[in-house]
Amino acid sequence: DAGVTQSPTHLIKTRGQQVTLRCSPISGHKSVSWYQQVLGQGPQFIFQYYEKEERGRGNFPDRFSARQFPNYSSELNVNALLLGDSALYLCASSFYLSGGTETQYFGPGTRLLVL
Amino acid sequence: AQSVSQHNHHVILSEAASLELGCNYSYGGTVNLFWYVQYPGQHLQLLLKYFSGDPLVKGIKGFEAEFIKSKFSFNLRKPSVQWSDTAEYFCAIQTGNQFYFGTGTSLTVIP
Repeated sequence: DAGVTQSPTHLIKTRGQQVTLRCSPISGHKSVSWYQQVLGQGPQFIFQYYEKEERGRGNFPDRFSARQFPNYSSELNVNALLLGDSALYLCASSFYLSGGTETQYFGPGTRLLVL
Repeated sequence: AQSVSQHNHHVILSEAASLELGCNYSYGGTVNLFWYVQYPGQHLQLLLKYFSGDPLVKGIKGFEAEFIKSKFSFNLRKPSVQWSDTAEYFCAIQTGNQFYFGTGTSLTVIP
């Protein structure tokens, strides 16, 4: 079975540009979450989407936005890139169960470098 | 704000030694608890999870963790580590629709 897939694997942008990262969840999973992992730190929660609706949002500026499509894939957009946005961006999918007892499965990530 | 603390940033052990990695969280309500592992060059993988019930949970590869609610802790243990356990270990909690990860513990096992 295919796991969570993300594209691209690596990306280089310059300050002020915009970037779009893509994620395809595991088949049957309807929930997708995005995380930012800066070198030497743990993943920081950005968003969670379920059935195309935003379910949760972390402490990130409005430059970060996301959406989920009818096939449950998702895009993360970051506008007006800053040097500090350089990080590994992780996508995780889960089969959401009521009561929040879900297990997230992570993709390999997209490594973004902002120059 | 909720947070997850992993006090051991880097641990070095010899093969066959016992392992215990600390994880404490700050949140007074109901939490789901997780340990993830990231082997060199690989992505995050779930080791074990706790939602409810028996506070001692067993995961893959001989790992286990104990949830002690009164101490807000969820420490990871393994009786005898192997060289292949060399990896980064992350503790995480879920509170409602929010997820929080610790900063990770790097484990190096010396053959």
